[in-house]
Amino acid sequence: NAGVTQTPKFRVLKTGQSMTLLCAQDMNHEYMYWYRQDPGMGLRLIHYSVGEGTTAKGEVPDGYNVSRLKKQNFLLGLESAAPSQTSVYFCASTANSGANVLTFGAGSRLTVL
Amino acid sequence: KQEVTQIPAALSVPEGENLVLNCSFTDSAIYNLQWFRQDPGKGLTSLLLIQSSQREQTSGRLNASLDKSSGRSTLYIAASQSGDSATYLCAVESGGGADGLTFGKGTHLIIQP
Repeated sequence: NAGVTQTPKFRVLKTGQSMTLLCAQDMNHEYMYWYRQDPGMGLRLIHYSVGEGTTAKGEVPDGYNVSRLKKQNFLLGLESAAPSQTSVYFCASTANSGANVLTFGAGSRLTVL
Repeated sequence: KQEVTQIPAALSVPEGENLVLNCSFTDSAIYNLQWFRQDPGKGLTSLLLIQSSQREQTSGRLNASLDKSSGRSTLYIAASQSGDSATYLCAVESGGGADGLTFGKGTHLIIQP
């Protein structure tokens, strides 16, 4: 089925460890986004990309890095995980901004001990 | 900075009732407004998208309205069903265009069977 796939779905890290979350979409979308969702905070934009090879900072980019080497993939990296990064991470994509619905992945739950 | 507020934060109604969820935003310079549904432990599913030039959109038992000048949107659910129980999120795409959506914190809806 067409859509947005996130891996892994769950991960537990120790403080200081690194990891990468993978987002893959098969809809040929140009725009891709990484959000985090925390209780009482809603969804907040971490980083986004408007096309292959491009990335930009969102509202809460500190402590994260991203890459978009291929159009269909958008990677979110944590170089040195902190407990404050415990959250549920959502990837989303859309064909272009302004007129198109965002399609979300199922989420990745990350716990940092 | 755009801010989105949803009222109420939680709502519980008997099955069969009509209900209204409210969303307000501080900056009227928006491209569009979207309503999403989120089931526990799942990603977001888009319900309705209203372009800034539109006043309302309908899909089945759902009707969303937009009053851009007053910074308000409502989601009307007719003849509620137990399967409508979920969290409903409102999000706006603002003048920045490509930099994603600003989300409200959601309304947690419980339909009592």
